[in-house]
Amino acid sequence: EDQVTQSPEALRLQEGESSSLNCSYTVSGLRGLFWYRQDPGKGPEFLFTLYSAGEEKEKERLKATLTKKESFLHITAPKPEDSATYLCAVQERGTSYDKVIFGPGTSLSVIP
Amino acid sequence: ETGVTQTPRHLVMGMTNKKSLKCEQHLGHNAMYWYKQSAKKPLELMFVYNFKEQTENNSVPSRFSPECPNSSHLFLHLHTLQPEDSALYLCASSQVGQGGRNEQYFGPGTRLTVT
Repeated sequence: EDQVTQSPEALRLQEGESSSLNCSYTVSGLRGLFWYRQDPGKGPEFLFTLYSAGEEKEKERLKATLTKKESFLHITAPKPEDSATYLCAVQERGTSYDKVIFGPGTSLSVIP
Repeated sequence: ETGVTQTPRHLVMGMTNKKSLKCEQHLGHNAMYWYKQSAKKPLELMFVYNFKEQTENNSVPSRFSPECPNSSHLFLHLHTLQPEDSALYLCASSQVGQGGRNEQYFGPGTRLTVT
């Protein structure tokens, strides 16, 4: 069964303490991997799309990387406003373009 | 209006009520989605409309009925819901197919409480 897992489930960081979130996937072929940020009670906000192993994308303090079986979201010198749940989603090659599988998310808390 | 909008933002309904959720996308996309998000669970895909045709229905109970009159509007009609249907209902849109980036853009959600 195709699966997307994320770790850790929750992460508490001190302001300025860099860390990484992991997204692992088991699909037979990857068409695209997506990262989203979700604030409580709101809809997910699109961050990045990665298409092939070795690809990297950056936005402010966030950098997403992709290997053949996992993706990392690196957070450099986080600030309290980076606190949110970060979701990973995968689109499998060979399936309909509109089918995406979401992971359970990592809840990040950045303490001042 | 920009992006994806949803109304109402909050809804409380009894189990015998009938209500509808509305979603509108202003992004020119050709696919729209309904998701259910419950506490501590991953996003659950409910329905997909691609070029206004329903392409996915993930074994959703018949008390949820989608409607997509055009590529910009999506409705979710609700009737005789159960308390376990209480959740955040999210609408999303994307551009799929050749040349599409397939990134989904979400609305703010409707927080539904069934009493």
